[in-house]
Amino acid sequence: AQTVTQSQPEMSVQEAETVTLSCTYDTSESDYYLFWYKQPPSRQMILVIRQEAYKQQNATENRFSVNFQKAAKSFSLKISDSQLGDAAMYFCAYSTGYGGSQGNLIFGKGTKLSVKP
Amino acid sequence: DAGVIQSPRHEVTEMGQEVTLRCKPISGHDYLFWYRQTMMRGLELLIYFNNNVPIDDSGMPEDRFSAKMPNASFSTLKIQPSEPRDSAVYFCASSPRGGREAFFGQGTRLTVV
Repeated sequence: AQTVTQSQPEMSVQEAETVTLSCTYDTSESDYYLFWYKQPPSRQMILVIRQEAYKQQNATENRFSVNFQKAAKSFSLKISDSQLGDAAMYFCAYSTGYGGSQGNLIFGKGTKLSVKP
Repeated sequence: DAGVIQSPRHEVTEMGQEVTLRCKPISGHDYLFWYRQTMMRGLELLIYFNNNVPIDDSGMPEDRFSAKMPNASFSTLKIQPSEPRDSAVYFCASSPRGGREAFFGQGTRLTVV
């Protein structure tokens, strides 16, 4: 069975600084997708970034980027120029590539990110 | 599109009562997912549907839980009878076929007292 582990329950960053959230996963599949979701206090789940396992290039979305290390089964999220609105719970998630949808997700336990002004 | 719509946003019920959570997926999406979020267990998939047919219900915790999708635009998650340990946030999400992400609703916070 696939598992996702986030080893940092809480992280803190100064506004405008950079922070990296860690995630490791375990799978025997070769085709899969990885995601970072953000959950602010409103509890809405918001997709931050996704990575296809077959792509070697790391995904980037504006201030958000990932470091995808397939052999190490590591998938970290880097947030640059942190803003107060980035404060939230961040969840790493895994989805198999063998189904018809990437909505069947296995989530990590989450990292609570605080941003200090 | 209005996104995935869940109702109610909050539900408080007494132990032993029946609870029904509702979800309207995004129009045209073939997949619908029900997730539960608790402090202890985090986010876990309960069940998902493809074209209104349940595909995997292995995450449903007990027979007290049941889910239906009578048509492409509506799904329910029912708990009967409810227990305090069912207190959680329940999310519905939908995805198109071959979709690159799941779109989540706002969730229903259920409190069983």
